[in-house]
Amino acid sequence: GDSVTQMEGPVTLSEEAFLTINCTYTATGYPSLFWYVQYPGEGLQLLLKATKADDKGSNKGFEATYRKETTSFHLEKGSVQVSDSAVYFCALSEDDYKLSFGAGTTVTVRA
Amino acid sequence: NAGVTQTPKFQVLKTGQSMTLQCAQDMNHEYMSWYRQDPGMGLRLIHYSVGAGITDQGEVPNGYNVSRSTTEDFPLRLLSAAPSQTSVYFCASTPSDRTGAFFGQGTRLTVV
Repeated sequence: GDSVTQMEGPVTLSEEAFLTINCTYTATGYPSLFWYVQYPGEGLQLLLKATKADDKGSNKGFEATYRKETTSFHLEKGSVQVSDSAVYFCALSEDDYKLSFGAGTTVTVRA
Repeated sequence: NAGVTQTPKFQVLKTGQSMTLQCAQDMNHEYMSWYRQDPGMGLRLIHYSVGAGITDQGEVPNGYNVSRSTTEDFPLRLLSAAPSQTSVYFCASTPSDRTGAFFGQGTRLTVV
């Protein structure tokens, strides 16, 4: 079945540091790939999405590229802020409404 | 625009009790789903619905029932609560253009 593996946390960074969270997937078909973010005490919010190979999703300074050859969708941000402290989830879906999630990566950014 | 509303936010149950977690969306989305979030495991799909009157099982359906009598509402029923059902539950809705799921703020359930 479909599955997602993302790097374990927690990750602690200083403000303005570069952030990378690795995500790899296993799927039988050609899924859409997502990054969701969960701020403390809140539900999940869609951060970005890519639907086919070589697509790049981007939002709020975050980027991720759908790499079919390496089955990866790594999340990157060039300069993080304290407000980026959250839990980040990589997910995939064959039909966009049934999602398979990774375990989540907790990111803490220190001022 | 309220989005996806879940009630209650917190609940403590005794083993064997039953209860219903409510979920309502006001965006006229076709697709709705329930997930549970457990530490180190991400979110796992419990049940989902592709429209009023249509439901199906996800990855971890045992001990839960759902129904979808209207487009707006998708309640999750725990028939006989067990400690293993202690978790945070999220409801989500997705529009038919499949641009991404919208999540509620969650219900934190503790079964003692």
